[in-house]
Amino acid sequence: AQSVAQPEDQVNVAEGNPLTVKCTYSVSGNPYLFWYVQYPNRGLQFLLKYITGDNLVKGSYGFEAEFNKSQTSFHLKKPSALVSDSALYFCAVRIVFGGSQGNLIFGKGTKLSVKP
Amino acid sequence: EAQVTQNPRYLITVTGKKLTVTCSQNMNHEYMSWYRQDPGLGLRQIYYSMNVEVTDKGDVPEGYKVSRKEKRNFPLILESPSPNQTSLYFCASSLNRGSYEQYFGPGTRLTVT
Repeated sequence: AQSVAQPEDQVNVAEGNPLTVKCTYSVSGNPYLFWYVQYPNRGLQFLLKYITGDNLVKGSYGFEAEFNKSQTSFHLKKPSALVSDSALYFCAVRIVFGGSQGNLIFGKGTKLSVKP
Repeated sequence: EAQVTQNPRYLITVTGKKLTVTCSQNMNHEYMSWYRQDPGLGLRQIYYSMNVEVTDKGDVPEGYKVSRKEKRNFPLILESPSPNQTSLYFCASSLNRGSYEQYFGPGTRLTVT
C-alpha cells in the first residue's frame, strides 16, 4: 500500500537554528513528492515539490527539501528558523504509474514550533 | 484574486439533519477534491472530481455525497450527519489531476452533536 510517514508529531527549534522536518514514503512506481504548510485557521499552502532532476529542491519562504531515493525520504529543511515558521507541515506523495497520475496521499502532519 | 471559497466556515448541527458545505473556485480548474482533517490522521480524501459530472470516491467516502454540475462548484453533502463526521473539512482544486499544486480553501469546522 502507498503511504507517507512523518515520524515526528512535533519538532521544537530555537529561532536562528537549522530545522528539519522528516518524511519517508513507501510507494510503487515513481513518486512525486510535495510539502505543504498550514498556518493556524488557514488552508494548506504549497511549499515545494520534487518531480525529477536535482535531489535538492528549493521552495517558498527559504525552505528546501532533499529527495533521497535509497532512503525513500524527502526531509524538509531550513538553514535558519524563524518564529513565523511555526505551523503544521504536511508531506504528500502522488503516485505516477504507467503514465497515469494518482491522487495526493498526505502524511499525518508535523507541528513545528520555533521559540524566540 | 484566485481563490477557493467554502461556506460555512463553522457549523454546529445535530445528528441526522442534512447539511451541505459549498465549495467554489474561480480559477477554471478541472480537478476538485474534498478532504477531512482529524488530529493524528492528517488529511484524508473523501471524494474528488476530475471534471463536470465526473466524480469518484476517495479514501473515506462513507456518509458523504458530492455533485459537480458546474465546473466552479463542488458541494459536499451529508445526508444524515453523525458525530464521527465532526471534523475540519477542506476543499481543494487544481488545473487537473496531475497538476503539481493544489489550492486549498480556508476550511469548514463541522461539529455534529
